[in-house]
Amino acid sequence: GAGVSQSPSNKVTEKGKDVELRCDPISGHTALYWYRQRLGQGLEFLIYFQGNSAPDKSGLPSDRFSAERTGESVSTLTIQRTQQEDSAVYLCASSFRVNEKLFFGSGTQLSVL
Amino acid sequence: GQSLEQPSEVTAVEGAIVQINCTYQTSGFYGLSWYQQHDGGAPTFLSYNALDGLEETGRFSSFLSRSDSYGYLLLQELQMKDSASYFCVPGSGTYKYIFGTGTRLKVLA
Repeated sequence: GAGVSQSPSNKVTEKGKDVELRCDPISGHTALYWYRQRLGQGLEFLIYFQGNSAPDKSGLPSDRFSAERTGESVSTLTIQRTQQEDSAVYLCASSFRVNEKLFFGSGTQLSVL
Repeated sequence: GQSLEQPSEVTAVEGAIVQINCTYQTSGFYGLSWYQQHDGGAPTFLSYNALDGLEETGRFSSFLSRSDSYGYLLLQELQMKDSASYFCVPGSGTYKYIFGTGTRLKVLA
């Protein structure tokens, strides 16, 4: 596609529910990144994929968070048993290769009530 | 380990010049990128320095000194639309691009 696409753009959920956030990177981009940004804060690195592999998962905040990527394309970030502190904008970015500039999607605003 | 320091906030008036400094400590460092993020928007790439020296892109310039682990972003002829957060992002061999908290630039009329 023309840019990085994220869906949904907004998600409101109840505490304890599971949510799935989707990212469609730019076609041909081999690297894909997930970040979390709480209101008024900086970007918190979560995980990155090189192809379909995630070399380093240490940025994921807890074992409630998981991510996968298939076909060197779409990625899904799953948050299980959501908590209020998970409320944030979740940003996805992709790059042609891991050491090149990042292109960001518009993000998913997650609100946990 | 890794560390990143930028001023949290900078204020300047329209038409002025402002410099946003960045010091970093990153294993496997190979270059420094700068990103801009307007409130409610996504970060966008501004510039990249792989070598020491100054890179100029229109009103924006970015500088890198690898020996000092230091860089800066220089914004000239400030405009109201430059009000945004600016992130310096060291490139590391781990490919974990750390954005940190960034610098919030306020441009006053």
